Amino acid sequence: DAGVTQSPTHLIKTRGQQVTLRCSPKSGHDTVSWYQQALGQGPQFIFQYYEEEERQRGNFPDRFSGHQFPNYSSELNVNALLLGDSALYLCASRDTGADYGYTFGSGTRLTVV
Amino acid sequence: DAKTTQPPSMDCAEGRAANLPCNHSTISGNEYVYWYRQIHSQGPQYIIHGLKNNETNEMASLIITEDRKSSTLILPHATLRDTAVYYCIVRALNAGGTSYGKLTFGQGTILTVHP
Repeated sequence: DAGVTQSPTHLIKTRGQQVTLRCSPKSGHDTVSWYQQALGQGPQFIFQYYEEEERQRGNFPDRFSGHQFPNYSSELNVNALLLGDSALYLCASRDTGADYGYTFGSGTRLTVV
Repeated sequence: DAKTTQPPSMDCAEGRAANLPCNHSTISGNEYVYWYRQIHSQGPQYIIHGLKNNETNEMASLIITEDRKSSTLILPHATLRDTAVYYCIVRALNAGGTSYGKLTFGQGTILTVHP
């Protein structure tokens, strides 16, 4: 059973560009969350999607947006990239009706130059 | 969600028990204690969670004090592969007993297991 799959694994972008990161949740999971993890820091919550709607959002600017598709997969879009957006972006999924923790993917390493 | 406090780093000898403490003195009655770990270059991995009773699974044991203001994650026989950052997180479940919403990660404890 595949876990959470993220693509691409690594990405280099230029300041000012836009980027789209993709996430396929674990089979049976319907909720997807995105996190940003800067080097040496714990992951920071960006937002969460359930039933194709954004349900909760962390303290991130509107440059960060997302989408969830009917098959529960999700995209994270970041516009007008800044050097400070360089980080590991993690996707996590879970079954909303179940009592256990989130399953995380291995992340996408984004470098903005 | 309540704030947690963990030591920044700990060492443990291979084969010995690793006991990782966490303080959560402002925890509310409906908040659970969750533990995750993150091995280098991987995403966080769920370990265990509990409300007020001690819990055990195939990975670890969770001991929560009676006043629920602190807890300890126990890895009974640490191996080199247990070297990771361990995060203690407290969060509530919704009224239906299901869980959604953010996980608030702190700095965690860097556990280093030595041969």
